[in-house]
Amino acid sequence: AQTIHQWPVAEIKAVGSPLSLGCTIKGKSSPNLYWYWQATGGTLQQLFYSITVGQVESVVQLNLSASRPKDDQFILSTEKLLLSHSGFYLCAWSLSSNERLFFGHGTKLSVL
Amino acid sequence: GEQVEQRPPHLSVPEGDSAVIICTYTDSATAYFYWYKQEPGAGLQLLMSVFSNVDRKEEQGLTVLLNKKDKQLSLNLTAAHPGDSAVYFCAVSLNTGNYKYVFGAGTRLKVIA
Repeated sequence: AQTIHQWPVAEIKAVGSPLSLGCTIKGKSSPNLYWYWQATGGTLQQLFYSITVGQVESVVQLNLSASRPKDDQFILSTEKLLLSHSGFYLCAWSLSSNERLFFGHGTKLSVL
Repeated sequence: GEQVEQRPPHLSVPEGDSAVIICTYTDSATAYFYWYKQEPGAGLQLLMSVFSNVDRKEEQGLTVLLNKKDKQLSLNLTAAHPGDSAVYFCAVSLNTGNYKYVFGAGTRLKVIA
């Protein structure tokens, strides 16, 4: 069975500090990977997707970057956090394009 | 680009009643439709997905209707119970080969015992 693990579960960070969030998918080779951001009480905004290792497409610019260093790993990062980065970050995977998304449990980020 | 409007933002129903959530999308090329449920502090769980050649789909107390003429997607929870209380999102995806999914704003459903 496939599993998706996000880390950390929660982070409290200072404005201007760096950030790195991770996501690992086990049990599925070459998944499509996605990062979503959800403001508190808000909808999901797709940030990035990746079809293969080393290839990441940006959907919306939020002063964040993403990388896929391994087939089963997706990293979201920034060198300098803004207050507006606060929210809930969700990683997801799919078998192929347009297929249902399987979500991780998310990382709650508070930027102070 | 594609936009999805979801209503209502909040919905309270007594236990045993039906709850209906509606999404309206803008792009007629939209072909894939999803309904997700989110419990507090958790990821999203898929409830149902439909392709554009389906007008109606029923599964385990849930009914999804797709009206392509009006570009409207609805979710009907029949006989809601307190465990259905959560935030519900619709999501759509365009033609085959697309990796972008657009979500509605969400509906916070409260089922009152």
